[in-house]
Amino acid sequence: QTVVTQEPSFSVSPGGTVTLTCGLSSGSVSTSYFPSWYQQTPGQAPRTLITSTITRSSGVPDRFSGSILGNKAALTITGTQADDESDYYCALYMGSGNWVFGGGTKLTVL
Amino acid sequence: EVQLLESGGNFVQPGGSLRLSCTASGFTFSNYAMSWVRQAPGEGLEWVSAIAGTSGNTYYADSMKGRVTISRDNSKNTLYLQLNTLRADDTAMYYCARTRWTSGFYFDYWGQGTLVTVSS
Repeated sequence: QTVVTQEPSFSVSPGGTVTLTCGLSSGSVSTSYFPSWYQQTPGQAPRTLITSTITRSSGVPDRFSGSILGNKAALTITGTQADDESDYYCALYMGSGNWVFGGGTKLTVL
Repeated sequence: EVQLLESGGNFVQPGGSLRLSCTASGFTFSNYAMSWVRQAPGEGLEWVSAIAGTSGNTYYADSMKGRVTISRDNSKNTLYLQLNTLRADDTAMYYCARTRWTSGFYFDYWGQGTLVTVSS
């Protein structure tokens, strides 16, 4: 069974830079998995941030960026703001109309 | 403006059934695939199922196969999810999401969700 891995939690200081990653329990993440990233605050629906590894969704600030770092997909937030405190989820496309989400990273800004 | 509005969530006993709906507006519904994604209380997101825009092709997470059926009525701009033989661990918020798989594979718009609670 495919497991998509994310850091359970991360903390960053206001104004700082943080990189969250999205890996596979077995194998490497590449652009072929079309990694996407979603932000969710408590009680709210997810919001789409990044699609197809690097493409920012409409209205997403350019301090959010996506990439492949080594064998993982990555979401980097620069100039982190207080309202970036959220849960962040990656999703990988596994082919044949199937996706798998990572367990999510709870980002604390303090 | 793209809008997705889920409904049909409810309190149901184990073994019961439920049909969720998602009504779409602000785009040509039949041109897009759609998905259901769920989130158990305090847990992460889990992709459940997807359906193509016009072909009717359907896709399911292995964990849900045999117990759920996704369908759509393009004339009503509505997506459905039939949930059968419900278990306590099906308790979750169920989100519908517009799904892109022609230029990448991702979910671009999300509804606010409908809550399913399975308990005796």
